[in-house]
Amino acid sequence: QVTLRESGPALVKPTQTLTLTCDFSGFSLSTSGVCVSWIRQPPGKALEWLARIDWDDDKYYNTSLKTRLTISKDTSKNQVVLTMANMDPVDTATYYCARMDRWLQLGYYYYYMDVWGTGTTVTVSS
Amino acid sequence: DTVMTQSPATLSVSPGERATLSCRTSQSVTSNLAWYQQKPGQAPRLLIYAASTRATGISARFSGSGSGTDFTLTISSLQSEDFAVYYCHQYHKWPPAFGQGTKVES
Repeated sequence: QVTLRESGPALVKPTQTLTLTCDFSGFSLSTSGVCVSWIRQPPGKALEWLARIDWDDDKYYNTSLKTRLTISKDTSKNQVVLTMANMDPVDTATYYCARMDRWLQLGYYYYYMDVWGTGTTVTVSS
Repeated sequence: DTVMTQSPATLSVSPGERATLSCRTSQSVTSNLAWYQQKPGQAPRLLIYAASTRATGISARFSGSGSGTDFTLTISSLQSEDFAVYYCHQYHKWPPAFGQGTKVES
């Protein structure tokens, strides 16, 4: 059974760096084709994809947030870590991690989020 | 970036009725579109991927259709547990994007 669980501070101050951890089980990030993404959702608003890390350590970032985001993995601990620098009140949101599955179309793999964690809520306030 | 437009924003449906949700993308995403259900205080749950393939364990009353830029999620006979917000998600073009959601209410 695939499970993911996010953890991190519930409250951060503006300008601080946020560090979130995703602990997962039921799959390995050392297996070819496996990826994990981070997504966030401000209160009452839509989902926003943030970053992705692949089994081969390739990393992808939301273009508008790229300078502030860093994603990494610890395969031995089954963890993915996301850091976001220079936090602002507009970054207040529930942050989710999700495993990605893929399907093959015309010889190319396309990845979508299939199993999500329960999310962790982060408030940015002084 | 690909702009996702879901309609309507809110859909009022009675239990047992059919619900039809629409998602339009600003450029073709072929069949690389997924649908998620989100209930209050819960994480999104994958319903449909590849535009029309039901995820594991998803009821057959959920069906997806479309390709290119126009997609539909249909709930054939709404059950009480289906009242939720539904998001479409394209994963064909970079960056991945979500729609604004359709709230299905009674």
